[in-house]
Amino acid sequence: NAGVTQTPKFQVLKTGQSMTLQCAQDMNHEYMSWYRQDPGMGLRLIHYSVGAGITDQGEVPNGYNVSRSTTEDFPLRLLSAAPSQTSVYFCASSEGRTISPSYNEQFFGPGTRLTVL
Amino acid sequence: GDSVTQMEGPVTLSEEAFLTINCTYTATGYPSLFWYVQYPGEGLQLLLKATKADDKGSNKGFEATYRKETTSFHLEKGSVQVSDSAVYFCALSDRGGDTGRRALTFGSGTRLQVQP
Repeated sequence: NAGVTQTPKFQVLKTGQSMTLQCAQDMNHEYMSWYRQDPGMGLRLIHYSVGAGITDQGEVPNGYNVSRSTTEDFPLRLLSAAPSQTSVYFCASSEGRTISPSYNEQFFGPGTRLTVL
Repeated sequence: GDSVTQMEGPVTLSEEAFLTINCTYTATGYPSLFWYVQYPGEGLQLLLKATKADDKGSNKGFEATYRKETTSFHLEKGSVQVSDSAVYFCALSDRGGDTGRRALTFGSGTRLQVQP
């Protein structure tokens, strides 16, 4: 299993440009989420999904859109990039069955480092 | 809301020294607690976890005990190695509730540098 994969690894955008960060997992996990990591602030939740066709906002959703058309993929879209979105973005996934003892154990991708000029 | 506070770094130790990284939390209910490690240029890896009070998580020589009475989950290792140099994050997970939201709330991270 490849686990959680993210592309690209690095990206530089100009203010106002749009782009999509890709995330895929091959573990058949129902739950997927996006976090951003900023210095001194840990990771903060942007959006999450409890299954295909279902998404919801996290702690810092403004400026980001998501969709979940398949179990495997959970792309994050920046419609009009701003310098405040310069960050490292991590995708994570976990099992959906709440009866599983590891249901809240999240597996992280390697991250995408985004710079907005 | 939920929050996690961990000691600020960087922490610099010599090889074979004893390590403690403090972590305290505020949460409603009974969260699960985690320590994640991030090596340079990589994503986060689960180091250990505990799902209920008095549980001890352990992995790779690291240990942490879920202390409900002090709302703490301190990370310890008896003898650190240069290869342990990384950033360590304490985190808690809520139970999901009606929405199924299963977010991790992270501390700000503690950078550990181990010198030979």
